[in-house]
Amino acid sequence: TQLLEQSPQFLSIQEGENLTVYCNSSSVFSSLQWYRQEPGEGPVLLVTVVTGGEVKKLKRLTFQFGDARKDSSLHITAAQPGDTGLYLCAGEGNFNKFYFGSGTKLNVKP
Amino acid sequence: EPEVTQTPSHQVTQMGQEVILRCVPISNHLYFYWYRQILGQKVEFLVSFYNNEISEKSEIFDDQFSVERPDGSNFTLKIRSTKLEDSAMYFCATYGLAQFFGPGTRLTVL
Repeated sequence: TQLLEQSPQFLSIQEGENLTVYCNSSSVFSSLQWYRQEPGEGPVLLVTVVTGGEVKKLKRLTFQFGDARKDSSLHITAAQPGDTGLYLCAGEGNFNKFYFGSGTKLNVKP
Repeated sequence: EPEVTQTPSHQVTQMGQEVILRCVPISNHLYFYWYRQILGQKVEFLVSFYNNEISEKSEIFDDQFSVERPDGSNFTLKIRSTKLEDSAMYFCATYGLAQFFGPGTRLTVL
C-alpha cells in the first residue's frame, strides 16, 4: 500500500493570509492530483502534476510536485472565504490505482 | 463539459437488503472506480475496473460487493446484503488523462 500523509489536518486562518498544505509519502507516484471537496459532494479535481519538480498555478493556488515524485504541496496566496473546504491529494500508483491522503480541512474566516 | 453522473443521490435501506448504485462514466474513459467515504473520514478505494473486468480491489471489497457494466454505459456497484457499517458516501470515478469523480450516492443502512 502506498500511503500519503497530509498535513496539517485542520487549518483555520483569516482572510488574506497565506497557507501551505503538504502531501508526503515514501512511495513514488506517476502523477499526483489535488482535489477540493465540499460537504456532501464529490471531490472536484483542481490539478494533476506529472513531472518531478513541476509547478502549476491556478489563480492564487500554486501546486508543486517534488523532484522525486514522492511529495507535493499546495500553496494558497491571500486566502478567501470561498477557499474553505477539504483539500485532498491523491497519488497515482501502479495499474492506475489512486491512493488518497486523509485531507486538510481549511476554514478561512472573513 | 463531460461529467460523471450517479444515481440515486441518496439511498436508504434496511440492513440485509441489496442495493445497486449506478454511475454513468465519461464516455471515452476506460478506467472506472468506486470509492467509499464514511462521514468525516478519508476517501477509501474499493475497486477499479478496466476492459470489463476488475483490475484491482481493496480489502473492503469482499464477497458482498460486485461491480459490472451491464450495457456499455452504466457502471454499477452492488452490495448484496447491506450492513450498518456500509453507511457512507459512495463515489464513482473515471479516468482518462485525470480522474474525475461523480457527485456521490449517500447510502444509509438502518
